[in-house]
Amino acid sequence: DTGVSQDPRHKITKRGQNVTFRCDPISEHNRLYWYRQTLGQGPEFLTYFQNEAQLEKSRLLSDRFSAERPKGSFSTLEIQRTEQGDSAMYLCASSTGQNYGYTFGSGTRLTVV
Amino acid sequence: AQSVTQLGSHVSVSEGALVLLRCNYSSSVPPYLFWYVQYPNQGLQLLLKYTSAATLVKGINGFEAEFKKSETSFHLTKPSAHMSDAAEYFCAVSDYQAGTALIFGKGTTLSVSS
Repeated sequence: DTGVSQDPRHKITKRGQNVTFRCDPISEHNRLYWYRQTLGQGPEFLTYFQNEAQLEKSRLLSDRFSAERPKGSFSTLEIQRTEQGDSAMYLCASSTGQNYGYTFGSGTRLTVV
Repeated sequence: AQSVTQLGSHVSVSEGALVLLRCNYSSSVPPYLFWYVQYPNQGLQLLLKYTSAATLVKGINGFEAEFKKSETSFHLTKPSAHMSDAAEYFCAVSDYQAGTALIFGKGTTLSVSS
């Protein structure tokens, strides 16, 4: 068990470019979550997968954002046509169930210039 | 809708002093409650959780929290602060319905001085 892995750790991109982040959850965890955290704020929920099914999406997840979890293993989060307001830490977490809490990855810090 | 309020965005204590970080929640159903800690440029680490068992919950690093339904509170305490406790602390709430995501508070930064 190597924990939740996120790649890359840091990403700097120009406004208007597309970016994709990857999350590898703990192997036996069937639930996977994406959160966004801006400076001085708590994590904000973006989306949730149970196995390969995307079951819940926040209103924060605009049409420029898309997430996938093919085969119920790793997940990707893509942001198209990035904007400066997208600059944040993107956190991935996985879990086996509602009452166990989440295991978080170290996050991907996105800076849009 | 569920929500979490963390009273005090910044708490400062001396090493060896009591740590008290406040959290109040709002939930229409019995909640699950969590405290997480975050060190700079890192993800969140689970400190402790309340899932409808004992109301006094003990976690890692000497922290504990008490669920008080009448006060809708889940305050985090530690009897004696250590320099290594300096970090950001987040309270989070969920409910028992499958698929509901954790809702986090805005966090409290704990500073510990020698």
